[in-house]
Amino acid sequence: DVKVTQSSRYLVKRTGEKVFLECVQDMDHENMFWYRQDPGLGLRLIYFSYDVKMKEKGDIPEGYSVSREKKERFSLILESASTNQTSMYLCASSFLGTDAEKLFFGSGTQLSVL
Amino acid sequence: GDSVTQMEGPVTLSEEAFLTINCTYTATGYPSLFWYVQYPGEGLQLLLKATKADDKGSNKGFEATYRKETTSFHLEKGSVQVSDSAVYFCALSDSTGGFKTIFGAGTRLFVKA
Repeated sequence: DVKVTQSSRYLVKRTGEKVFLECVQDMDHENMFWYRQDPGLGLRLIYFSYDVKMKEKGDIPEGYSVSREKKERFSLILESASTNQTSMYLCASSFLGTDAEKLFFGSGTQLSVL
Repeated sequence: GDSVTQMEGPVTLSEEAFLTINCTYTATGYPSLFWYVQYPGEGLQLLLKATKADDKGSNKGFEATYRKETTSFHLEKGSVQVSDSAVYFCALSDSTGGFKTIFGAGTRLFVKA
């Protein structure tokens, strides 16, 4: 089975801190994604990557950056955390090619910024 | 831009009741349509998909038919179980939009024994 692992299940940070959220997948997927999930808003795409060192902005990239130095790892960075970034963060991955649309998700990181 | 609208929850049903969760979409191209399910404490997992008009996706007793004329992809199940309690997300992926999948707001389902 495909496994997408997010480094932390719960995280509490203070306003202004730099925050790193890590995601690792074990199926050699080319595409990786970061979403945030908020009640009533569903999932919104922050950034995605279709290759090592490549990244594309999603719908809500402001206040975030990403890093993909290795194919299996995709990191989300909050340069200076703010309270409006309190949310559930979900990492996902998918193949490139047929069935590329099927996303595999990690269990999520619930981030609280105080 | 592309969007997905699904019925607000929560939806509360008794075991063995019939389930319908409505989903409509707006897309400029010819999207693939999906239902994902999120069980408590877990990430999303794909429940079913349909890639073209009139296709029916099905899995675990759930079904949804891609209706291009009404731009809909309603999720149905004939007899729900307590274990079906979860949040259900309708989503689309449009090839003209690259690798992006757009999700609806989610509908929480509670099934009572």
